[in-house]
Amino acid sequence: DSGVTQTPKHLITATGQRVTLRCSPRSGDLSVYWYQQSLDQGLQFLIQYYNGEERAKGNILERFSAQQFPDLHSELNLSSLELGDSALYFCASSRGVGTGANVLTFGAGSRLTVL
Amino acid sequence: AQSVTQLGSHVSVSEGALVLLRCNYSSSVPPYLFWYVQYPNQGLQLLLKYTTGATLVKGINGFEAEFKKSETSFHLTKPSAHMSDAAEYFCAVRTITNSGGYNKLIFGAGTRLAVHP
Repeated sequence: DSGVTQTPKHLITATGQRVTLRCSPRSGDLSVYWYQQSLDQGLQFLIQYYNGEERAKGNILERFSAQQFPDLHSELNLSSLELGDSALYFCASSRGVGTGANVLTFGAGSRLTVL
Repeated sequence: AQSVTQLGSHVSVSEGALVLLRCNYSSSVPPYLFWYVQYPNQGLQLLLKYTTGATLVKGINGFEAEFKKSETSFHLTKPSAHMSDAAEYFCAVRTITNSGGYNKLIFGAGTRLAVHP
């Protein structure tokens, strides 16, 4: 157990629908990162939050949004889902943004299947 | 901009043989480099990291990697492969952004290691 908790583990939904993926970071970690892993794109960085604020943005679609709450958990919202959104979504956390905070700890992932 | 290239999407070795997984990076700043392993149906687990100092880095499960600045490489090795090493391995480089999100990792495409008896 890495200490990063992601729910749900598996999710099957239809095109056009909206889903929310949840992540609880490891105790003491202030940064949360979202990654998408698919067969054709590999591991793609989506977005990073630090202590509630967005810090970096990657290849995140406009249909996707995220936030980090005061208790530091984060949610990734995926809307108007398309078949191509089927992927494994990982959350990772780290202590912060200092030099000692370079290690990202990953959760087990949420597997999204869009039918 | 930083990037990572992993040479070979699939590597197959015999049990007991040397494991060599190749990674080359591109970075405009001194890089922080990482190797992660992903076992089937699991998340990514840190194997080892290079930040500063000694260029030969030892990690878990007998793996090690050597940072070679002149070759912009960070290859992962293990002297003797075990069946349990079968997994996908990802090389990653830390990035720096204008907004200070410099813990973001850019991953290579991954190398799937198969170990056969």
